[in-house]
Amino acid sequence: DIVMTQTPLSSPVTLGQPASISCRSSQSLLNSDGNTYLSWLQQRPGQPPRLLIYKVSKRFSGVPERFSGSGAGTDFTLKISRVEAEDVGVYYCLQVTHFPFTFGQGTKLEIK
Amino acid sequence: QLQLQESGPGLVKPSETLSLTCTVSGGSITNSDYYWIWIRQPPGKGLECVGRIDYSGTTYYSPSLNSRITLSLDASENQFSLRLSSLTAADTAVYYCARLAGWSVEGSFDIWGQGTMVTVSS
Repeated sequence: DIVMTQTPLSSPVTLGQPASISCRSSQSLLNSDGNTYLSWLQQRPGQPPRLLIYKVSKRFSGVPERFSGSGAGTDFTLKISRVEAEDVGVYYCLQVTHFPFTFGQGTKLEIK
Repeated sequence: QLQLQESGPGLVKPSETLSLTCTVSGGSITNSDYYWIWIRQPPGKGLECVGRIDYSGTTYYSPSLNSRITLSLDASENQFSLRLSSLTAADTAVYYCARLAGWSVEGSFDIWGQGTMVTVSS
């Protein structure tokens, strides 16, 4: 299985400040079709996960522009340009290049 | 707007078999651009994808559950289902169904159900 490792596991952030989460995969996520199927999801307390970013850097419908994704191969980053109160929750990276699909352990974003 | 809704028992006994159903509304389960996924999340823990099924009934199972899991799809009811046998306390989790938009589309889990809590206990 592909192991997805996120850092940090907890991220206290001041409102209005940026936040960054890293995700590293144990193998390249570049697919034979030329795409890299790395996504980021947000899970607010008591809710199901919600897709934010797919194919490394594409924002899903309705996702605010303050969320952005980058990376290639085995190293990926989610950035929030200015954290808002509604961004509190756990963030997961997800790979669907290889089956079984696997998630990172999750990074808890909280407000200082 | 496509929606997913899980249904099934909230409490099952050890060694028994869990059966969950995901009802898809607002769209067809037979669209070949999409796949149907079960994911589980033990209390306070992370997410695990347990299996995938497509419109033709082709399945892929997590190797860790391969001998205990069966996914099926009922196009006439627009539903897909999970059966997990030989339950133990380690199977206690919130079970989510989700849609995988295929690799020609988003290539990710774009729609999720609300989840259903399953507790394995005598």
